[in-house]
Amino acid sequence: EIVLTQSPGTLSLSPGERATLSCRASQSVTRSLAWYQQKPGQAPRLLVYGASSRATGTPDRFSGSGSGTDFTLTISRLEPEDFAVYYCQQCSGSPRCTFGQGTKLEIK
Amino acid sequence: QVQLQESGPGLVEPSETLSLTCTVSGASIKPYYWSWIRQPPGKGLEWIGNLYNSGSSNYNPSLKSRLTISVDLSKNQFSLKLTSVTAADTALYYCAKVAAYGSETYAMDVWGQGTTVTVSS
Repeated sequence: EIVLTQSPGTLSLSPGERATLSCRASQSVTRSLAWYQQKPGQAPRLLVYGASSRATGTPDRFSGSGSGTDFTLTISRLEPEDFAVYYCQQCSGSPRCTFGQGTKLEIK
Repeated sequence: QVQLQESGPGLVEPSETLSLTCTVSGASIKPYYWSWIRQPPGKGLEWIGNLYNSGSSNYNPSLKSRLTISVDLSKNQFSLKLTSVTAADTALYYCAKVAAYGSETYAMDVWGQGTTVTVSS
């Protein structure tokens, strides 16, 4: 089973700042990595797939990068609505999927 | 526009079977992959399993011995059955559509709103 480890667990920033979230896989997932945003009381929302492709409706301040085992989600300039929990996910093989444990992005 | 709606009992007794259904509207269930995911209270997301258009499925190894995911094409629904539940199975259960972007690149692009299941006597 591929394990995804996200860091940091919590990130405290102010609106307008840049956020960098990391996700590391226990073995290569090539570029089959997605990022999701979850706000309280809501279902997760797909932001990025294939490591760097923005999903429909994802603002261009969100960008994904990486391949193999190391991935990053960058939010270039934080808006108030961006404060949420972010999960990375990989689906490989048949596919079998796993999620990272999440990074909480909170207002400083 | 594809929409998903989970349904099922909100309360299940320990050792019993948890049964949930996901009803798909706005698209035929047949051409796509579908998934179940759960989220225990205050915790992160856990992938439960996937269903493929042929009716075959793939499960989280930690749940495999208790889990069955199946499809009813006539109703455009897919279902989850989890046997011998314990309090650890208490969670918000989501169904989702899995998009295939090619070259083993998958992501869950449409989610239901989720349904809460509590395991308690």
